[in-house]
Amino acid sequence: GAGVSQSPRYKVAKRGQDVALRCDPISGHVSLFWYQQALGQGPEFLTYFQNEAQLDKSGLPSDRFFAERPEGSVSTLKIQRTQQEDSAVYLCASSGISTGTVNYGYTFGSGTRLTVV
Amino acid sequence: KQEVTQIPAALSVPEGENLVLNCSFTDSAIYNLQWFRQDPGKGLTSLLLIQSSQREQTSGRLNASLDKSSGRSTLYIAASQPGDSATYLCAVSRHNAGNMLTFGGGTRLMVKP
Repeated sequence: GAGVSQSPRYKVAKRGQDVALRCDPISGHVSLFWYQQALGQGPEFLTYFQNEAQLDKSGLPSDRFFAERPEGSVSTLKIQRTQQEDSAVYLCASSGISTGTVNYGYTFGSGTRLTVV
Repeated sequence: KQEVTQIPAALSVPEGENLVLNCSFTDSAIYNLQWFRQDPGKGLTSLLLIQSSQREQTSGRLNASLDKSSGRSTLYIAASQPGDSATYLCAVSRHNAGNMLTFGGGTRLMVKP
């Protein structure tokens, strides 16, 4: 596609519910990133994939958070047993670079706004 | 741990003014620095990317400088317009980290007609 597509745009979940957020990166992009952005703050890194390999998941806040990219394209961020503190915008970004080469920058999706009630 | 700070947190200026947004980072071992724009409810749009070996980049009315040794970057916006109103974020990436970005908290800019 022409850009990074995220779905759903908005999600309201009851506390304790499981949610799945989808990211469809730019076709052919090797690298895929998930970030969490709380209201009024900058995005914070969650996890990074290079193709289907999850190379860094150091930013995932708890074991309730799980991300996958099984075929090296579409990625899903899953949050189990959602809590109110999980309310945020979840941003996905893709890049055509691989580690060690020049960074030509990211393309971000519009994000999924998750509200846990 | 890398920390990125942006000053001011919010800025309101009349149309036509030139303005400077500031970004500082604690660890100078960066791979590159990027400036992004974020409109309400939208994702991030990359404005300028400065490699660690570069001193500045320019795009139209925007100019970004980088002083890696002092851990500072500035984004200069010339002749501001109401359409420039948005949140501006700076972010740095580090070596050997898949180019994971560490963001500042952003500067919310309002340009009044």
